[in-house]
Amino acid sequence: ILNVEQSPQSLHVQEGDSTNFTCSFPSSNFYALHWYRWETAKSPEALFVMTLNGDEKKKGRISATLNTKEGYSYLYIKGSQPEDSATYLCAFPRMDSSYKLIFGSGTRLLVRP
Amino acid sequence: DTAVSQTPKYLVTQMGNDKSIKCEQNLGHDTMYWYKQDSKKFLKIMFSYNNKELIINETVPNRFSPKSPDKAHLNLHINSLELGDSAVYFCASSQYNPGQGQGYTFGSGTRLTVV
Repeated sequence: ILNVEQSPQSLHVQEGDSTNFTCSFPSSNFYALHWYRWETAKSPEALFVMTLNGDEKKKGRISATLNTKEGYSYLYIKGSQPEDSATYLCAFPRMDSSYKLIFGSGTRLLVRP
Repeated sequence: DTAVSQTPKYLVTQMGNDKSIKCEQNLGHDTMYWYKQDSKKFLKIMFSYNNKELIINETVPNRFSPKSPDKAHLNLHINSLELGDSAVYFCASSQYNPGQGQGYTFGSGTRLTVV
């Protein structure tokens, strides 16, 4: 994997369902993995910055795990609510001199009431 | 107080014009960025400034030029605007080390429409 890949591209769930999606990234020269939440007509907001293999972070009903050896991170939402509807982006700083943050294409989540 | 503010929010202009988008952050961050949201909704890095020095410059046309008068400001100047420049441009800021802090803070975006 040369870039950041996210799956699925979109996801429709019912209110109350729990859901998860995946971010895959290059496992070599890992430095950090970011997750962002991007609501329509707004700007992306940082959820988590993860750096350690096995790390798990939580914010309310949203949590994320990190596996740097195999190059993936999962984002979980427990008991989805309509206000969770957004695009969830992961991003990976490319380890050249610039620390350039490369964004995935995102998973678009729609939670139906 | 808005952490990262960019102006204007909307900009409609004719082909061939020169325009600027301003960005200011009050977070004390080391680094500021310009991203372009392309037609497929991807966020693509354009420029990054760290302590008033350009540290990355992606392969964007040289009609685009970043200007940073100080650490808290990074403006984007665009000369000879073309139809294909129409997009949403996002300013962002962060600590230089992307493994530290709370990630990037984004501005609200500027929707540029070239007619």
